[in-house]
Amino acid sequence: DAKTTQPTSMDCAEGRAANLPCNHSTISGNEYVYWYRQIHSQGPQYIIHGLKNNETNEMASLIITEDRKSSTLILPHATLRDTAVYYCIATDSWGKLQFGAGTQVVVTP
Amino acid sequence: GAVVSQHPSRVICKSGTSVKIECRSLDFQATTMFWYRQFPKQSLMLMATSNEGSKATYEQGVEKDKFLINHASLTLSTLTVTSAHPEDSSFYICSARGDAGNEKLFFGSGTQLSVL
Repeated sequence: DAKTTQPTSMDCAEGRAANLPCNHSTISGNEYVYWYRQIHSQGPQYIIHGLKNNETNEMASLIITEDRKSSTLILPHATLRDTAVYYCIATDSWGKLQFGAGTQVVVTP
Repeated sequence: GAVVSQHPSRVICKSGTSVKIECRSLDFQATTMFWYRQFPKQSLMLMATSNEGSKATYEQGVEKDKFLINHASLTLSTLTVTSAHPEDSSFYICSARGDAGNEKLFFGSGTQLSVL
């Protein structure tokens, strides 16, 4: 699985968009980019995933660069309940999910 | 979306006893389940991969005789922490993947194990 690099933490104002970057420069052609988040003392929650094209669902948007070496998760209107650790993982569709340190996102009023 | 149920959510046991944690996929058949462990303020660490009907594959450094995994059906996997000790106290989380080319993993809500 490709290694991913994320900032340790970031703050975001409630109601504003949160843009979470992730670098995955060694990603291979069959590896997807997955995003999960974990709210304290709960199991991880799936957010979104993509291969090449940008993706959007009811939770977030995923922007993947053309060379696929990095991506950005966008939470369009952050709420206090979006405070969590966000994990970016690169793996193939049948692979294991190996979690890194993630980004601690704190949404402030 | 798919639901993975994990039970119990919290367990406290005495040192030396064994504890069983169940992970069920409620609305899909899970060919593969994964077990993770998470210590406070740390990330999830993959312990083992469990495939229905076959032996689990353990990650390096995880004792297979200590953490017994059984995946006897397509909807149930169990993790048994044998002869638990205080250092086994941790948050244990399971996840499951369907067998229909589903690319997502769904996670249980976790089990907080405290060994006294």
